Formats: sequence, C-alpha cells, structure tokens
Amino acid sequence: DAKTTQPNSMESNEEEPVHLPCNHSTISGTDYIHWYRQLPSQGPEYVIHGLTSNVNNRMASLAIAEDRKSSTLILHRATLRDAAVYYCILRESSNDYKLSFGAGTTVTVRA
Amino acid sequence: DAGVTQSPTHLIKTRGQQVTLRCSPKSGHDTVSWYQQALGQGPQFIFQYYEEEERQRGNFPDRFSGHQFPNYSSELNVNALLLGDSALYLCASSSGLAGTSGELFFGEGSRLTVL
Repeated sequence: DAKTTQPNSMESNEEEPVHLPCNHSTISGTDYIHWYRQLPSQGPEYVIHGLTSNVNNRMASLAIAEDRKSSTLILHRATLRDAAVYYCILRESSNDYKLSFGAGTTVTVRA
Repeated sequence: DAGVTQSPTHLIKTRGQQVTLRCSPKSGHDTVSWYQQALGQGPQFIFQYYEEEERQRGNFPDRFSGHQFPNYSSELNVNALLLGDSALYLCASSSGLAGTSGELFFGEGSRLTVL
C-alpha cells in the first residue's frame, strides 16, 4: 500500500529547475520525508530528507507544505546526470528500514 | 573508501535451485538491509540485519533468509527459486540503529535471472 503519490514522469531542459511533487496525505507526525534517486544501472542514492522545515543540501532542496501532506523536491539546475527515477518515501525514524519505494518519478533531461 | 559491494553482479539459475548473494557494507557501517527490485518497479524491502540478527522483515516468504557475519557483511539466500524471483537484489548499509539520519547507501545490486 503506497504511502506517497508521485507523477510517473517529468521532463526538463538542461540547466533549468525541476520541481518534483509528492503527495503524502496520510503522513503521521513522526514520519520523515526522504528522497532517493536511482540512475540507470545503479542502486538508489540518497538525496535529501526533512521533517517539517525546508531543507537544502548540495544536491537539492526540499520544500515541505505547512500541513506536511505534500512536499516538493527541487533540483535547481538540472544536468544530464540528474536523469533518474526519483523516489519520495516516508520513514518513521532512522530505525525504520522498511522503506516503501513505490514507482517513483522518471525524470528526463533534454540537452 | 569502498562503498557497498555486492557479488555476483549477474547470475542465472533454474527453477528449484538455491542462490546465495553477498554484500559488504560501506566502511564503518554495521546495519545491512536487502531489497528486491523487479523490472520497472521500485525496490521492495526484504529484511534488515543488525548485530547478526534479523531485526525487521518485509512481506517475503521463508524461502528468503539471510545472515550477518561479525565483520558486518551479509548474505541473502533464496531457496526453491521461482521464475518470479528474477530481479535485481540490492543491499543497503547504514550506521547504527539510532542517533544518525539513517541514510542508506546502496550497492549496484546482483541481477538474478531464473529460467
């Protein structure tokens, strides 16, 4: 049973921002929002995570709605290397390894 | 610093056989979890090991079993292989049960084909 809902696919031009939405209307107060991405022929790679406040790191930004029922992963300047499947995942705590990946959003970046 | 390494990278088995997949976690990591990824789908959690014990388990039958060794490396065993077991098997490592962000580091996986 999926806990998050993401669009199947998104396209972007190189060096333009990409906004990847994720709906998680049944999120509980203790669930963290995690994002992973999977490049072709590789294992998933951690991108970012947050609880309530917006988060930034070298890879991306995570914007979390005030009611926490949705979030958006922002890639500020897409490169060809960002073409991947992006997964939005709810995680109860750092002790929770039962990550439910879902189908994710396939991001295509046009040169 | 080597990341998560898995072996073999590819293997082919026939129905009814048994398979063992191996994983060495990232240096400094003591927790290993295994995922199954069928073609075109997201990874599905199989189980997680910490301190040589299975701590959490997903919805997989008992044909799927594992082990963690004192050096934190791990094995995934699948008995009585079915065609539906064909998938990419991913190992992920992390540090500790609590006190960290719990970021998972994944290997590149072992591609199993069952004929």
